[in-house]
Amino acid sequence: DTEVTQTPKHLVMGMTNKKSLKCEQHMGHRAMYWYKQKAKKPPELMFVYSYEKLSINESVPSRFSPECPNSSLLNLHLHALQPEDSALYLCASSQARLGIYNEQFFGPGTRLTVL
Amino acid sequence: AQKVTQAQTEISVVEKEDVTLDCVYETRDTTYYLFWYKQPPSGELVFLIRRNSFDEQNEISGRYSWNFQKSTSSFNFTITASQVVDSAVYFCAHYGGATNKLIFGTGTLLAVQP
Repeated sequence: DTEVTQTPKHLVMGMTNKKSLKCEQHMGHRAMYWYKQKAKKPPELMFVYSYEKLSINESVPSRFSPECPNSSLLNLHLHALQPEDSALYLCASSQARLGIYNEQFFGPGTRLTVL
Repeated sequence: AQKVTQAQTEISVVEKEDVTLDCVYETRDTTYYLFWYKQPPSGELVFLIRRNSFDEQNEISGRYSWNFQKSTSSFNFTITASQVVDSAVYFCAHYGGATNKLIFGTGTLLAVQP
C-alpha cells in the first residue's frame, strides 16, 4: 500500500463550527506533514510530526490543532476558522531517517471552504 | 535565503511537442535535494524525481528528462512528445538543512492541447 488517504474530500464549515481532517498512511513512514495550499499558490508547510511528536510548527494560528494519535494517523482539528482559511489541505508522509531527506508522498487533499 | 524560482507561470503546447519547464534555485546549503512534483486538477501532488546536490548526472525516465546544473543553479524538466495527460501544475522544490523543510517554487501550469 503506497498511498496516503485523506478524509473528507470536501468540507464546508461555518466560522463557529468544530471539525477535523483525517490523514492515514500504511507505508510505515514515521514522519507526517500538514500543508495548506491556496488557489494558484504552492503548498505551505504547517506542521511536521516525527515519531508521533510535533517537531515543526510554522507559527500556525491556534485555531488549527494537529494531533498524531499513532504512527499511521494524523488529524487536524479546526475551530473558529476564518474565511481566509479556505484552501486545499494536504497531508504527506515520508520515511524519517536522520541525516537523509526522503521524498514526501502526498494525499489527495481536503478542500475546505469556510463560510 | 532558500528560494526556488519558476519563471514560467503558464505554458501551452500542442500534443507531441517537446516542452521544458525551468527551475532556478538559491541556497546556502552545501548539501541539498531538489524535487519535481506534478499536481493534476484532482489536487494530489505526485512525486516525480529527487536529486541530491552531489549528483549532477542527468536523468531520463520514459518521456521525462531532467537537467541538473549546479553552475547555473538550475534543475530543468523536459517532457518529450507531450500528451494531454501531462496537463497539470508542476512544482520544483528544494530541501536543505538550513530550513529543514521543502521549499516549493510557484509552479508552472502546463496545458497540452489535443
